[in-house]
Amino acid sequence: EIVLTQSPGTLSLSPGERATLSCRASQSVSNNYLAWYQQKPGQAPRLLIYGASRRATGIPDRFSGSGSGTDFSLTISRLEPEDFAVYYCQQYDSSITFGPGTKVDIK
Amino acid sequence: EVQLVESGGGPVKPGGSLRLSCEASGFTFRSYAMNWVRQAPGKGLEWVSAISGSSSDRHYADSVRGRFTISRDNAENSLYLQMNSLRAEDTAVYYCVRVLGGPPAAAGAGWFDPWGQGTLVTVSS
Repeated sequence: EIVLTQSPGTLSLSPGERATLSCRASQSVSNNYLAWYQQKPGQAPRLLIYGASRRATGIPDRFSGSGSGTDFSLTISRLEPEDFAVYYCQQYDSSITFGPGTKVDIK
Repeated sequence: EVQLVESGGGPVKPGGSLRLSCEASGFTFRSYAMNWVRQAPGKGLEWVSAISGSSSDRHYADSVRGRFTISRDNAENSLYLQMNSLRAEDTAVYYCVRVLGGPPAAAGAGWFDPWGQGTLVTVSS
């Protein structure tokens, strides 16, 4: 099983700042089979990024994904008030596993 | 509009059974693998089960294998999860998700979009 580790656990930032979230895999994720989701309180997760770097339909371009192999990241270039949420990475190379999440909260 | 609507959650005693349903609309249901993902209160996401479009392939997480059964009715555009021998640790919101992309040979593996609103299952005596 591929275990995903996300860091930091919590990221405290102000609106307008840049957020960089990390997702590390216990073994290489082939073909960049990695996705990112955003979840707000009381809501279902929403797809942001798939294939490590491809934005889903309707996702603003301030969200970007990068990485390969075992190290991936999600960057939010300038935080908007609606971006404060929990973010999960997911690999779909070997079965399906999720990372534990990173909470982005308001500083 | 692509939409998934779950139902069937509720309170159940340990050892009991429950059947979740997910009604799909806005896309050709039979053409897509579907999964169930759950989230325990205050916790992260856990993949539960996957089924291919034709129902020929089904996969389960170790934590539910032998107790849960995934199925679908393509004529009714519906996905199901039969949950037996329920335990307290099965308490969670259960989400129905459509699978996109992923390894061609691995039915059910891919990214998930959209997600249903979820249905809460509470296992308690």
